[in-house]
Amino acid sequence: QSALTQPASVSGSPGQSITISCTGTSSDVGGYNYVSWYQQHPGKAPKLMIYDVSNRPSGVSNRFSGSKSGNTASLTISGLQAEDEADYYCSSYTSSSTHNYVFGTGTKVTVL
Amino acid sequence: EVQLVESGGGLVKPGGSLRLSCAASGFTFSSYSMNWVRQAPGKGLEWVSSISSSSSYIYYADSVKGRFTISRDNAKNSLYLQMNSLRAEDTAVYYCATSSGWYIDYWGQGTLVTVSS
Repeated sequence: QSALTQPASVSGSPGQSITISCTGTSSDVGGYNYVSWYQQHPGKAPKLMIYDVSNRPSGVSNRFSGSKSGNTASLTISGLQAEDEADYYCSSYTSSSTHNYVFGTGTKVTVL
Repeated sequence: EVQLVESGGGLVKPGGSLRLSCAASGFTFSSYSMNWVRQAPGKGLEWVSSISSSSSYIYYADSVKGRFTISRDNAKNSLYLQMNSLRAEDTAVYYCATSSGWYIDYWGQGTLVTVSS
């Protein structure tokens, strides 16, 4: 099972919007609406930001939004803030018989 | 408040064994599927294993199948990971995490496992 493909890094200035892509296959991202996104600050545990493609857990800012088209999911952060600088990982349910989840390669977001 | 506290990590020689534990509180443990996810130093997240609420369904990543065993004790609100035949590439922070659906919602702070001679 290969990891989902994400860009290694994305950057933006405060107040701007950025989008992180997450590309998989029809066996994971494209086949199910079970894409989730996680934010991880250095030395900390990941935090769920988006689940089931576009749903935000309680307490997550509405500046974070998710979408999907075909085999590619996207996370958009609008009104970029300094505190958004972190690593972001996508994940998807996969129909592989030996797996439940597959994670993305991770994207480092830098606020300029 | 959901709390997941991992323990049992440490330094072990290649070929050795280690048992990780995760103490859960703040939610109805017996109602949730549980997972182990690991992160090698400076690397990304890797799903390791999942177990359903009643232990009826258990899954492993190919990289650990046959060497690791996940289990849970709902009476003790605890999750376990027995790791045998450890390799250098198993060196990572191991996170205990809950699943409410097909996503991982709560994560512990992790426990570091180092496999080295």
